[in-house]
Amino acid sequence: KAGVTQTPRYLIKTRGQQVTLSCSPISGHRSVSWYQQTPGQGLQFLFEYFSETQRNKGNFPGRFSGRQFSNSRSEMNVSTLELGDSALYLCASSNGERSLYMNTEAFFGQGTRLTVV
Amino acid sequence: AQTVTQSQPEMSVQEAETVTLSCTYDTSESDYYLFWYKQPPSRQMILVIRQEAYKQQNATENRFSVNFQKAAKSFSLKISDSQLGDAAMYFCAYRNLLTNDYKLSFGAGTTVTVRA
Repeated sequence: KAGVTQTPRYLIKTRGQQVTLSCSPISGHRSVSWYQQTPGQGLQFLFEYFSETQRNKGNFPGRFSGRQFSNSRSEMNVSTLELGDSALYLCASSNGERSLYMNTEAFFGQGTRLTVV
Repeated sequence: AQTVTQSQPEMSVQEAETVTLSCTYDTSESDYYLFWYKQPPSRQMILVIRQEAYKQQNATENRFSVNFQKAAKSFSLKISDSQLGDAAMYFCAYRNLLTNDYKLSFGAGTTVTVRA
């Protein structure tokens, strides 16, 4: 079973540009969530999609957006990049179910390292 | 909002010995999951162990075990017989089961160094 695939692995962008990151979840998983990891702020939740619907959004400016396609693949977009957007962006795949008794662990991709210069 | 606190930024352990990582969390909910994730230098987050809040028995996975104290809102991870491959950053995470989403709240992480 293939794992979670994030592309690209590395990205260098200039301030003011926009960027799109992609995440392909594990086959059968309908939930994709995104996290930003920085040395200063740690791991922060960006948003989560389930069956093409955003179910929750973290405390990030509107420059950060995402979407999910019918095949569960997800993209996140950051517009008007700032230096502070430099981070490791991780996506996590799960079945998204809310169950006390079902295995609902999240599997992570290897991340996209974004550097804004 | 749920907060997860890991008070130990770094821990060092001799190979073959035991190390315990601390985690406390703040929640008013009764149904939730707790996790420990490992992030080695490769950056891949790997699930180490999971604890369901409704279970009183502490979870164990080979050399990894937890001490889950629900009333104290404490969830520590014990790594026994430490190996060089255990060197990584470890994150404690919380998931609330009462909300209709999948969101993990993470602690700040603890860097574990294993001395040969």
